[in-house]
Amino acid sequence: GAGVSQSPSNKVTEKGKDVELRCDPISGHTALYWYRQRLGQGLEFLIYFQGNSAPDKSGLPSDRFSAERTGESVSTLTIQRTQQEDSAVYLCASSLFVGATNEKLFFGSGTQLSVL
Amino acid sequence: KQEVTQIPAALSVPEGENLVLNCSFTDSAIYNLQWFRQDPGKGLTSLLLIQSSQREQTSGRLNASLDKSSGRSTLYIAASQPGDSATYLCAVETSGGSYIPTFGRGTSLIVHP
Repeated sequence: GAGVSQSPSNKVTEKGKDVELRCDPISGHTALYWYRQRLGQGLEFLIYFQGNSAPDKSGLPSDRFSAERTGESVSTLTIQRTQQEDSAVYLCASSLFVGATNEKLFFGSGTQLSVL
Repeated sequence: KQEVTQIPAALSVPEGENLVLNCSFTDSAIYNLQWFRQDPGKGLTSLLLIQSSQREQTSGRLNASLDKSSGRSTLYIAASQPGDSATYLCAVETSGGSYIPTFGRGTSLIVHP
């Protein structure tokens, strides 16, 4: 596609419910990142996928968070048993590949998650 | 662990002023540094990327410099306009294999007519 696409753009859920967020990267981009941005805060790294390599999950805050990506296509971020502290904007970014000094990151518009 | 700091946190200026936004990082072993712009309710848009071997990059009224040895980058905005109002973030990709960009918390800029 022309850019990184995220859906839904907004999600309101009740505490305790599971949610699934979707990211469709730019076609051909092998690297995909998920970040979380709480209100008034910086970007917090969650997880990173590079091609078919094992993902780097070092930023996931708890075992309620998981993410999948099949090859170089769509990724889904799942939050189980949501808590109010999970309320944030979840941003997805992709790049052509990593390890090159001139590779730019391209971001989607994010999913605003509100847990009531 | 790489840490990125941006100063100032917020800035309000009249239209036409030249501005300097600052970004500092603790680990100078970097692949690159990117400056982004974020508008309210939107994702981030890459403005400039400076590779580790470069000293500066320019795009229109924007100029970004990089001093790796001192762990600093500046974003210079010439002749600011109200349309420049946004949050500006810098991100550093550190060498050593993780390839995970680390972001500062941003500078919120308001340019008033």
